[in-house]
Amino acid sequence: DQQVKQNSPSLSVQEGRISILNCDYTNSMFDYFLWYKKYPAEGPTFLISISSIKDKNEDGRFTVFLNKSAKHLSLHIVPSQPGDSAVYFCAASRGNQFYFGTGTSLTVIP
Amino acid sequence: DAGVIQSPRHEVTEMGQEVTLRCKPISGHNSLFWYRQTMMRGLELLIYFNNNVPIDDSGMPEDRFSAKMPNASFSTLKIQPSEPRDSAVYFCASSFRGHPSYEQYFGPGTRLTVT
Repeated sequence: DQQVKQNSPSLSVQEGRISILNCDYTNSMFDYFLWYKKYPAEGPTFLISISSIKDKNEDGRFTVFLNKSAKHLSLHIVPSQPGDSAVYFCAASRGNQFYFGTGTSLTVIP
Repeated sequence: DAGVIQSPRHEVTEMGQEVTLRCKPISGHNSLFWYRQTMMRGLELLIYFNNNVPIDDSGMPEDRFSAKMPNASFSTLKIQPSEPRDSAVYFCASSFRGHPSYEQYFGPGTRLTVT
């Protein structure tokens, strides 16, 4: 059973606009959440993380929001750039448990 | 830094054969993780090591899978015997933080095809 779900397999956004990638999780005990980006034929690279004691973390154009009551997190990219086109994975952990979602493919249209 | 190195990049083998995937973590990192990526299940953590010691192998699918880390600079993931359902991309990652909650550095992956 998927503990971390990314229900949108793909997303297209115009360059300069905001990209919002969503992620839902089932285990309310998860205490860290992360986002990774993956280009074809490469391994994932770390983007940003957030602890469960926070509801927002920002790093440049990337902001992660955590809504614990809804068991939902989102990644906002603004402004979106063509180089942001990639597959984005969310992940959640508690103790030795660590789960990735299935990914959302983002295409930023120039 | 060369990053995490995985070999081979592609492996095609027949059902029943033994497959060995190799990983060299980033120098100085003390944690190493093995993942499997499939379309249906996404990225799954199979096993991870801290200071060459296996910490959690609950993600290893079955006894056909085994992983070793004989020293800080080398790890193997072995499948014996291989089956077609093992076809996937296998990633190795390393970290200096000792827990998957922290940033991990991934290798380029090994694409395994079992026919």
